[in-house]
Amino acid sequence: GAVVSQHPSRVICKSGTSVKIECRSLDFQATTMFWYRQFPKQSLMLMATSNEGSKATYEQGVEKDKFLINHASLTLSTLTVTSAHPEDSSFYICSARAITGDNTGELFFGEGSRLTVL
Amino acid sequence: RKEVEQDPGPFNVPEGATVAFNCTYSNSASQSFFWYRQDCRKEPKLLMSVYSSGNEDGRFTAQLNRASQYISLLIRDSKLSDSATYLCVVNYPGGSYIPTFGRGTSLIVHP
Repeated sequence: GAVVSQHPSRVICKSGTSVKIECRSLDFQATTMFWYRQFPKQSLMLMATSNEGSKATYEQGVEKDKFLINHASLTLSTLTVTSAHPEDSSFYICSARAITGDNTGELFFGEGSRLTVL
Repeated sequence: RKEVEQDPGPFNVPEGATVAFNCTYSNSASQSFFWYRQDCRKEPKLLMSVYSSGNEDGRFTAQLNRASQYISLLIRDSKLSDSATYLCVVNYPGGSYIPTFGRGTSLIVHP
């Protein structure tokens, strides 16, 4: 099946620093990628929809200047958490949708990135 | 944001039991539905798609009831390895068909 690679899987950083997370579709092209955040015992919360070659669409309550998303190619989307604070500590997961004619295909997930901000 | 609701559980069942979960959705225009499985501190993995005609894969059966706007997952002959959180995902129309997750139902299968 399709593979989505997410890196790094785990990162610890100091408060105030920025962290970049990469999401790559390895064997398929993904015009749309989704970024989710999951706090312990909570569901995955959609942060933003990343479209190749255009600006990301952010969900209500997600600060676009804090969570910078770049989707420069059909196989790579990046999420940068700028000026990270302890409350940003979470599990961040990207997913890419396999292209189907009606745009409702299966989602493939990256392995997730566990961010801890000290 | 339209809602997808699941009973968080946990459902605590013995090995060999049959267990069923439901997931309700609020947007009648929803197009496609999936069940994902998520193990602790791991990414979700697709368990099965849910078709209008129902879908069976071994011990797992998924069904869609559009009239009542819910999907279900039935697990027969539960195994210890079935212990996980089961997430339902509903694709809502709107731009790129945004996949929306329920909060998940926790299943614990004990010996």
